[in-house]
Amino acid sequence: GAGVSQTPSNKVTEKGKYVELRCDPISGHTALYWYRQSLGQGPEFLIYFQGTGAADDSGLPNDRFFAVRPEGSVSTLKIQRTERGDSAVYLCASSPSGHGSYNEQFFGPGTRLTVL
Amino acid sequence: AQTVTQSQPEMSVQEAETVTLSCTYDTSESDYYLFWYKQPPSRQMILVIRQEAYKQQNATENRFSVNFQKAAKSFSLKISDSQLGDAAMYFCAYRSGHTGTASKLTFGTGTRLQVTL
Repeated sequence: GAGVSQTPSNKVTEKGKYVELRCDPISGHTALYWYRQSLGQGPEFLIYFQGTGAADDSGLPNDRFFAVRPEGSVSTLKIQRTERGDSAVYLCASSPSGHGSYNEQFFGPGTRLTVL
Repeated sequence: AQTVTQSQPEMSVQEAETVTLSCTYDTSESDYYLFWYKQPPSRQMILVIRQEAYKQQNATENRFSVNFQKAAKSFSLKISDSQLGDAAMYFCAYRSGHTGTASKLTFGTGTRLQVTL
């Protein structure tokens, strides 16, 4: 497809379980971002990749959260020992490059994570 | 750290009328970009309009325009000739323009826009 895709669309899990959320960016986009959007809030930055490396992971809330992008394309956000407070919509975005005025971020439809 | 404030949780406008959504931000940087994003119920964020801080001229995109007041750190969005399809959450966002700074977006809390007949 032409846009950013995310799977699954919805994920329900139990407290303490491990989850993986996947993001497929637009082909050729070198920059990839993860955001978390809690109910009634704006998206909050989690992590940003430039190519395969995490250029900024300052938004990850704790060490239960981890993300990878091994080949510079698809990225996986991993959450260990999930807690009810992790329930949110996780948004992924990609852009052609990290800097510059035409660095529009294109967003995917998000994964709604519900931790019971 | 930069912050973005949207003080209007909800707004309502009649079809064909004009509405203005407010946004203020706080930053010590001189080089930055401002954006308005639309988020319909499908959850997908769509870029509506952007403004480079170094440009004095207000950005316009068809029925959408901004009022950028750099000294006041204000960035409002005006929607003219409102249409039913404009109903959505609108988020104001900030991005640093400094080279070497991660291009993350900082969002406000959003304004829900209702469009009535």
